[in-house]
Amino acid sequence: NAGVTQTPKFRILKIGQSMTLQCTQDMNHNYMYWYRQDPGMGLKLIYYSVGAGITDKGEVPNGYNVSRSTTEDFPLRLELAAPSQTSVYFCASSSARSSYNEQFFGPGTRLTVL
Amino acid sequence: GENVEQHPSTLSVQEGDSAVIKCTYSDSASNYFPWYKQELGKRPQLIIDIRSNVGEKKDQRIAVTLNKTAKHFSLHITETQPEDSAVYFCAASSPGGYQKVTFGTGTKLQVIP
Repeated sequence: NAGVTQTPKFRILKIGQSMTLQCTQDMNHNYMYWYRQDPGMGLKLIYYSVGAGITDKGEVPNGYNVSRSTTEDFPLRLELAAPSQTSVYFCASSSARSSYNEQFFGPGTRLTVL
Repeated sequence: GENVEQHPSTLSVQEGDSAVIKCTYSDSASNYFPWYKQELGKRPQLIIDIRSNVGEKKDQRIAVTLNKTAKHFSLHITETQPEDSAVYFCAASSPGGYQKVTFGTGTKLQVIP
């Protein structure tokens, strides 16, 4: 299993540009999450999904959108990029089998908005 | 919502000494407390977790304790080694429609050889 994969690894955007961060998991997990991690800070939840077709906002959703058309994929869309969105973005997934399941993280996407 | 506070934010110890990181949580319904280790430039990875029906759990040099009454839990690393140097995050998870996990702000541990 590849686990959780993310593309791209790095990206530089200009203010106002848009992009999609890709996330795929091959563990058949129902739950998927997007976090952002600012330098020296913890993880903040942007959006999450409990299954295909179902998404909801997390703690810091403004400026982002998500979709979940399949169990495997959970892309994060940035519209009109702003310098405040410079961060490292982590996608994660977990099983719905019990309430005590580990979240598996992808390798992250380092985004800089200039 | 849940609030998780983590202390200290940085911790330096000599190799071989013990390290303790403490977290408090606010939601008494939280029932799962994982700890993640994040090495520089890498993804967070689970190192140990504890459920609310258990007071302590050990895995080799790592242990976690939970005090539900006081709503705090701690990570203990004994006989620290340079490879333990990383950022450690505590988290609290409450039952519900999905696994809402709230992370602490992290502790940067430096083990000095």
